[in-house]
Amino acid sequence: QKEVEQDPGPLSVPEGAIVSLNCTYSNSAFQYFMWYRQYSRKGPELLMYTYSSGNKEDGRFTAQVDKSSKYISLFIRDSQPSDSATYLCAMSGNTGGFKTIFGAGTRLFVKA
Amino acid sequence: NAGVTQTPKFQVLKTGQSMTLQCAQDMNHNSMYWYRQDPGMGLRLIYYSASEGTTDKGEVPNGYNVSRLNKREFSLRLESAAPSQTSVYFCASSEITGTLRGSGNTIYFGEGSWLTVV
Repeated sequence: QKEVEQDPGPLSVPEGAIVSLNCTYSNSAFQYFMWYRQYSRKGPELLMYTYSSGNKEDGRFTAQVDKSSKYISLFIRDSQPSDSATYLCAMSGNTGGFKTIFGAGTRLFVKA
Repeated sequence: NAGVTQTPKFQVLKTGQSMTLQCAQDMNHNSMYWYRQDPGMGLRLIYYSASEGTTDKGEVPNGYNVSRLNKREFSLRLESAAPSQTSVYFCASSEITGTLRGSGNTIYFGEGSWLTVV
């Protein structure tokens, strides 16, 4: 079993839809939970980051962490064609970036 | 605002050839990384350098070597390329290791190097 599981998709939605992306994990030591966005032929870039449990909102994006269920989510409201990308969840403990574990990524298509 | 710069962007190698991927960051980060990304496998850590002067193996180090030349530069070498090393390679860096809070675990990636071994 992988430490981080993420459905690879692809997920196709119409413009304006609410998108829900999810990851599950098995390591209870994870404290940092991140979402990276990766456009085609580009490197991943950090979208949002949360420390420990709870919600975090940034514009149209909301990240949720449920440590009791070992489940994290990224919600995208009013999705736009420019949101079409691969979204990777990532998580780590307090030991530094080299212990970051990435999900395989979910490919999202937002159709105009 | 260059961030993490890696070269070359594209390379085709024959089996058995060697090559070095170069990487430099201008964010004064302590830690640097090399990842490979394959379909369905996600990002896998090849080697990392927690700080200048140190390097350590990641999840998939076989067939690779690295050199942390200075604080800015971290190179990845394939000594004898194999078709299984066909992949997209990403260099990355982060600010601080082992922080208790804050964004110290945020990893910044380069644009990627597409390597094909035939």
